[in-house]
Amino acid sequence: DIQMTQSPASLSASLEEIVTITCKASQGIDDYLSWYQQKPGKSPQLLIYDATSLADGVPSRFSGSRSGTQYSLKISRPQVDDSGIYYCLQSYSTPPTFGGGTKLELK
Amino acid sequence: EVQLVESGGGLVQPGRSLKLSCAASGFTFSNYGMAWVRQTPTKGLEWVASISTGGGNTYYRDSVKGRFTISRDNAKNTQYLQMDSLRSEDTATYYCARRDGGYDYWGQGVMVTVSS
Repeated sequence: DIQMTQSPASLSASLEEIVTITCKASQGIDDYLSWYQQKPGKSPQLLIYDATSLADGVPSRFSGSRSGTQYSLKISRPQVDDSGIYYCLQSYSTPPTFGGGTKLELK
Repeated sequence: EVQLVESGGGLVQPGRSLKLSCAASGFTFSNYGMAWVRQTPTKGLEWVASISTGGGNTYYRDSVKGRFTISRDNAKNTQYLQMDSLRSEDTATYYCARRDGGYDYWGQGVMVTVSS
């Protein structure tokens, strides 16, 4: 199985910062990488697919990128509503595997 | 509006069976692959199974192979997860999800508790 190592596990950021969350794949995944946001008691919501494509209705302050086998989610000038847990998912090979999650708190 | 509504969860004893349903609306169900994903506080999000548009191809995580069966009825816009020989480690919230790029729509989730 492909391992997705996500970091950091948690972070606290201010509204003026640029927030970056990363996922490193244990092998190449050909950009079959998506990012999700989950709020307490809710189901995950797709933010980014195919590593860099913004899902419908997602604000442009969210963006995705890749460097080698490391994928990043960036939130520019985050809003308080962006608090939650963020997950990456590789769907290059079966089984699809999720990162361990990053809990984002905005202050 | 795309909607996925799961049902069928509950409390079940180890070794028994449960069948989850996911009713889809707001899109052409037969055009999309579908999946089940589960979540626990300790293991996080785990993909469980996927099914192709016509139902001819199915895929499972190793820990549920031979015990769970994913299926779909395109005439009823519904997918299913038949769970047999349930174990305590299957306790989780189960989500139905639509595959398009990533998983672009998710249901609200249904709780499955396996306990004596």
